[in-house]
Amino acid sequence: QKEVEQDPGPLSVPEGAIVSLNCTYSNSAFQYFMWYRQYSRKGPELLMYTYSSGNKEDGRFTAQVDKSSKYISLFIRDSQPSDSATYLCAIANQAGTALIFGKGTTLSVSS
Amino acid sequence: GAGVSQSPSNKVTEKGKDVELRCDPISGHTALYWYRQSLGQGLEFLIYFQGNSAPDKSGLPSDRFSAERTGGSVSTLTIQRTQQEDSAVYLCASSLSGGRADTQYFGPGTRLTVL
Repeated sequence: QKEVEQDPGPLSVPEGAIVSLNCTYSNSAFQYFMWYRQYSRKGPELLMYTYSSGNKEDGRFTAQVDKSSKYISLFIRDSQPSDSATYLCAIANQAGTALIFGKGTTLSVSS
Repeated sequence: GAGVSQSPSNKVTEKGKDVELRCDPISGHTALYWYRQSLGQGLEFLIYFQGNSAPDKSGLPSDRFSAERTGGSVSTLTIQRTQQEDSAVYLCASSLSGGRADTQYFGPGTRLTVL
């Protein structure tokens, strides 16, 4: 079992839709969870950062961590064509020396 | 301020040749990371530097891969005797001090194609 699993999609939605992106992980000791966004031919950029369980909101984006089920989610409200990108979940390893990434979900928002 | 920069942006080489990829981290960042992104495997960790030392090299896939960092700044990833399976995007990231809570900032990557 891989440490972080993510459905690669692709996911296509109309503008204005609510998008839900999800990952599962295997190690219950993980505590630092991130979502990165990557546009085509660019490096990943940090979108959201969550420590331990709970929700974090930033504008149209909400990150959610459920440690009991080892499940992390990113919700995008009122999705825009500019949200079209690949979304990568990432978890900091225990040693703090690396991020463990999911394979990424490619999202396309049509106008 | 300036972000993480990488050069070259694209590199095409022949199987068996050696290649060097360069990373310039954000000024003042002591931690530097190399990752590899390929279609089948996603984004995978290669090596972590703290200053000029590499306490975690666990992601390097073979002894053909090596990296160094000098002056606590620029890093070079070297791949010897390249193979077709080395074709990927090589991404460098830096963070202020390292550790689980530290934000990693990524460069645009070097796209390596081995013919």
